[in-house]
Amino acid sequence: EDKVVQSPLSLVVHEGDTVTLNCSYEVTNFRSLLWYKQEKKAPTFLFMLTSSGIEKKSGRLSSILDKKELSSILNITATQTGDSAIYLCAVAINYGQNFVFGPGTRLSVLP
Amino acid sequence: NAGVTQTPKFQVLKTGQSMTLQCAQDMNHNSMYWYRQDPGMGLRLIYYSASEGTTDKGEVPNGYNVSRLNKREFSLRLESAAPSQTSVYFCASNPGQGTGRCHFGDGTRLSIL
Repeated sequence: EDKVVQSPLSLVVHEGDTVTLNCSYEVTNFRSLLWYKQEKKAPTFLFMLTSSGIEKKSGRLSSILDKKELSSILNITATQTGDSAIYLCAVAINYGQNFVFGPGTRLSVLP
Repeated sequence: NAGVTQTPKFQVLKTGQSMTLQCAQDMNHNSMYWYRQDPGMGLRLIYYSASEGTTDKGEVPNGYNVSRLNKREFSLRLESAAPSQTSVYFCASNPGQGTGRCHFGDGTRLSIL
């Protein structure tokens, strides 16, 4: 059974802290790993990772994939209250036709 | 730039009633998906359509049916609603053939009493 696990499930930090969110997977036919941010409505896309060891960066957010360890991390530096959200990790399988999602990490950033 | 449009946004049903959730995308995407999201469970795939004219079951298909009406539209039907189907439903689309990420609609919050 294809499975994506995220940790921690919930995290509370203060503004300015740096956080690391973890995602690990056990799937057949891995194609890519994606990170989404979900606030009140639809998940919004952050990163798509296909190659091991290559960091993707967007402002204060960065992510890297380790295909040997079947895992990925999402880093957020200098957190702001606007970073409060659920962060979802998903893995594309079956030649990209399906996406298996993890349970998400709920991040709360306090002022 | 509508992207993925879902209707309705909210719905309350009684047990045993039926209803259809509508989804349309204007990005000429081949693949479309229906997910449900429950607290602490992430997004679970109900059904997907890799291309117009095809549909396949996902992880939690029981109690649901789908129709890929054309390339733009993918509907989800609950024939006899049950309280266990209370959830937030998301429709998503993807260019297909492993070419990238899903684009999501804003969701339908469905409560079944």
